[in-house]
Amino acid sequence: LAKTTQPISMDSYEGQEVNITCSHNNIATNDYITWYQQFPSQGPRFIIQGYKTKVTNEVASLFIPADRKSSTLSLPRVSLSDTAVYYCLVFNTNAGKSTFGDGTTLTVKP
Amino acid sequence: EPEVTQTPSHQVTQMGQEVILRCVPISNHLYFYWYRQILGQKVEFLVSFYNNEISEKSEIFDDQFSVERPDGSNFTLKIRSTKLEDSAMYFCASTPGGQFSYEQYFGPGTRLTVT
Repeated sequence: LAKTTQPISMDSYEGQEVNITCSHNNIATNDYITWYQQFPSQGPRFIIQGYKTKVTNEVASLFIPADRKSSTLSLPRVSLSDTAVYYCLVFNTNAGKSTFGDGTTLTVKP
Repeated sequence: EPEVTQTPSHQVTQMGQEVILRCVPISNHLYFYWYRQILGQKVEFLVSFYNNEISEKSEIFDDQFSVERPDGSNFTLKIRSTKLEDSAMYFCASTPGGQFSYEQYFGPGTRLTVT
């Protein structure tokens, strides 16, 4: 299963755009890329998923280059409440198995 | 909005005891998962379950662990003889299945403390 690598932490300020990149060099054809947000003492919460190119929903965008060896989660205009751990997750659709990365702790400052 | 529920929220047990963690996935979902998260660490995959059988399991999911869907609504994780290192948050998740829909819905977790 594809191993993922993310920055351990990032700082930002309210109102800024935040981009978090995840590397998944050995991603397989049957793998989908998903991103989750986790607050302390809560279960992860789904943000967005993609296979390739760009996906956008009401909270984020996901950019995946043609080789799919990385992906970038983009959070527009973050607020203090976006302070959380963000996980890049490669989901293997054949095995139904997920590999969480180590997570990126995003701290949004006023 | 439908949600995954887990009980109990906190379970304290003595080393060597058996524990059963319970989950009620979202009713029309087809795929079920258990994860664990040791305090301060990342979320780790334990097992996935589909069509009443395990579809994938990790190295962590050894003979001490088992899963069951006894009645079509509950999804349980049993640890036969708990060890101190089993202390962690255990999350249940489910997905609806179907093509291109891989969003996992996570429950609030059960904090297991082994003393």
